Parts: sequence; structure tokens; C-alpha cells
Amino acid sequence: KAGVTQTPRYLIKTRGQQVTLSCSPISGHRSVSWYQQTPGQGLQFLFEYFSETQRNKGNFPGRFSGRQFSNSRSEMNVSTLELGDSALYLCASSLIALGQETQYFGPGTRLLVL
Amino acid sequence: KQEVTQIPAALSVPEGENLVLNCSFTDSAIYNLQWFRQDPGKGLTSLLLIQSSQREQTSGRLNASLDKSSGRSTLYIAASQPGDSATYLCAVSRTSYDKVIFGPGTSLSVIP
Repeated sequence: KAGVTQTPRYLIKTRGQQVTLSCSPISGHRSVSWYQQTPGQGLQFLFEYFSETQRNKGNFPGRFSGRQFSNSRSEMNVSTLELGDSALYLCASSLIALGQETQYFGPGTRLLVL
Repeated sequence: KQEVTQIPAALSVPEGENLVLNCSFTDSAIYNLQWFRQDPGKGLTSLLLIQSSQREQTSGRLNASLDKSSGRSTLYIAASQPGDSATYLCAVSRTSYDKVIFGPGTSLSVIP
């Protein structure tokens, strides 16, 4: 069974640009969550999607948005990039409920904003 | 607001030692607690998940305990090996459908 995949793995952008990250969950998993990980703030929850609907949201500005498609694949978009957005972005999938069962994480996308 | 802390922030032990990692959370109304492992620059791997009604879970050399009333969990690693070197994170969720809150992690180094 293939694991969670994320593309691209590495990305370099400049301030003001926008970026789209992609996450393909494990087959059959319907919940996809996104996290931002930085040395200073640790692992912070961005949002969770289930059946194409955002079910949970963390405390991030509106520049961070996401969506989920009918095949459960998810994308995350960050507009008007800032230097502080440089981070490892992780997505995780679970069968139904992110707080109920094991989450399976992808390898992450490392974003560098210059 | 739920806050999760982990002590120590870093730990270095010789191979073969048994060790304990600690996780504390401020709101005892949790649904479950999970322990993860993260290797440098990589994603997280789930190690153990303890439901709020459980006291402990075991997997191989790993044993995790949960004391909801005191807001604490411990991860016990027996007979540590160099391959155990990684960052260990604990995470809690308030309900089955709520977001997961992570601790800052404990960086473990096992010296051969």
C-alpha cells in the first residue's frame, strides 16, 4: 500500500509570490491534514479536510488556504509569501477522523522563501 | 487552550540504556494521545496511540503510559539502540474529530 506522497519535495520562492503544494493520501483515507513545522514554533496545525470540506482550522492567516478533491487528494496554497513562511509543510492522512486514529504523514515539502 | 510540553528537550544516552521521555498537557479532557518519531528532515512516523480510556500501550521495546488526571504521558524505550536516535513528539486531540496539538519534541541521541 503506497504511503502519503507530497509534491514537490523542495521549493524556493521569493517574497510576494504564491505557492501550491500537493498531497496524495493513502488509498481509502478520506481525512487529510496539513501542518507547518519550523524550528521556532514546532509543528502547528493548519487545517483538515474531509470529503472535500474543511472540518478543522488552525490559527493561521487567510493567506493559507486549501482544498480537497473528490479523490481525497489535497492542495494547500499560500499567497503573498513572507520570509516567515519558510518551513517544512507536512500533510497527514487518516481513514476517517484525525483525532481518533493513527495519522500517516508524508515526507513533507520544504519551502524556502527568499 | 490546550498546551503540550515535553521534557527534556534533548537527551543523549549510551547504547543499551533504558530511558523515559515525558509529555505533559494542560487540559485533561483529551480523546487520545499519540507518540510519533521524526527523523531529521523527514515526516513523522506513528509509534503508539493511547485512547483516553486506556492506561498504556506497548509495541516491541516501546511502552507508553497515560495519566489523564495529572495530564501526563511517558514513553519508555527499553535497551536503546543507535537507530532510536530521532526526535520524539507527543500529540493530543480533544475529540475524535478535533485537531491534533503537538508538543515541541524531545531530541534523542543514542551513542554507540
